Amino acid sequence: AQRVTQPEKLLSVFKGAPVELKCNYSYSGSPELFWYVQYSRQRLQLLLRHISRESIKGFTADLNKGETSFHLKKPFAQEEDSAMYYCAPPQANQAGTALIFGKGTTLSVSS
Amino acid sequence: ETGVTQTPRHLVMGMTNKKSLKCEQHLGHNAMYWYKQSAKKPLELMFVYNFKEQTENNSVPSRFSPECPNSSHLFLHLHTLQPEDSALYLCASSQETGFVWNEQFFGPGTRLTVL
Repeated sequence: AQRVTQPEKLLSVFKGAPVELKCNYSYSGSPELFWYVQYSRQRLQLLLRHISRESIKGFTADLNKGETSFHLKKPFAQEEDSAMYYCAPPQANQAGTALIFGKGTTLSVSS
Repeated sequence: ETGVTQTPRHLVMGMTNKKSLKCEQHLGHNAMYWYKQSAKKPLELMFVYNFKEQTENNSVPSRFSPECPNSSHLFLHLHTLQPEDSALYLCASSQETGFVWNEQFFGPGTRLTVL
């Protein structure tokens, strides 16, 4: 079964500092990975997906198949980036794209 | 209202009660999902419906019973729940389950407390 690991429960950084939220996955096929974000009092929403290779709100994520990682990075953190971040690969079964989520990492950016 | 809506937003029930959670999506999607979000566990997928057909049931106890009468509505019927079932129940939808790059859109959730 597909597994995803987010080793950090909480990551605290100062405004302007670089951020890296770690995600490791186990998958036997070619993975498609997502990062979802939940801001305070808002619903869970898509931040970015591997296949689009977009940069959203300054965040990027590179898929490293050798290390089976999909770490989320931003060079300069902003206070509005404070949120809960979930790494989510799709579940590898015939049903398709039901997501499985990591435990999430809370990012706290302070001034 | 646009997007994915869920009612009620908060629910308190006793262990002998029967209640239902409702989810509605206004996005024209064909797949709908129930997730459970509790404090000590990651988001857990419970049920998946694709074109009104249930395609996934992640070993959820029978005290949770889903119903999908059409592609826009999804229910979660609850009966004889346990206190450990207290959690935030999230509904989501996507175009369909057949493509791995489909984005899932989430509702605000129902905060359930079982006494």
